[in-house]
Amino acid sequence: ETGVTQTPRHLVMGMTNKKSLKCEQHLGHNAMYWYKQSAKKPLELMFVYNFKEQTENNSVPSRFSPECPNSSHLFLHLHTLQPEDSALYLCASSQFVSGGQREQYFGPGTRLTVT
Amino acid sequence: AQTVTQSQPEMSVQEAETVTLSCTYDTSESDYYLFWYKQPPSRQMILVIRQEAYKQQNATENRFSVNFQKAAKSFSLKISDSQLGDAAMYFCAYRSGVQETSGSRLTFGEGTQLTVNP
Repeated sequence: ETGVTQTPRHLVMGMTNKKSLKCEQHLGHNAMYWYKQSAKKPLELMFVYNFKEQTENNSVPSRFSPECPNSSHLFLHLHTLQPEDSALYLCASSQFVSGGQREQYFGPGTRLTVT
Repeated sequence: AQTVTQSQPEMSVQEAETVTLSCTYDTSESDYYLFWYKQPPSRQMILVIRQEAYKQQNATENRFSVNFQKAAKSFSLKISDSQLGDAAMYFCAYRSGVQETSGSRLTFGEGTQLTVNP
């Protein structure tokens, strides 16, 4: 049982499609993250949201558009992707307390294939 | 910028034996946290163990323990009495201890794929 869920688990899309990834956390956290995990590469942080405000954009191309309507939900809108964008996209959440952020908890990821 | 290096892309261990996974990092900070995460085939990234840099005592969690050598910037994970369910990709990660309100950037290593042989 995970406190962070992601849908869909698998997604195949063409380069001209528009799709969205969804992440929901049930842990009462106030920070959420998108990571990209490609084969043979370390996890790459894409976006950070803290209290629903985007606080970090790690030089991500504009074809990836995040949205955080509330502290429990995070979306990643995808449009005109490239084949090299195929990867596992992981969502995570954490709780800010006095003294800093607590550990990040991850969702199961969405395996994205761009054809 | 901080970097995390895992020099062992793959490791294997016999069931019930002990294995050690290596991790080194580079930072100019004195206050930070180190983590080991496990990612099994289900892809769920699970926190295994955490170490605060200001603590000299090595963290332990049941069969998992770390050897934290701050001066050497080394943070290895020891898995004792290995079980088949320990088979996974293991990631070492670094987080700054500087208090921040904007989130919590984790820097990950490349990962070590652990195979447990019956």
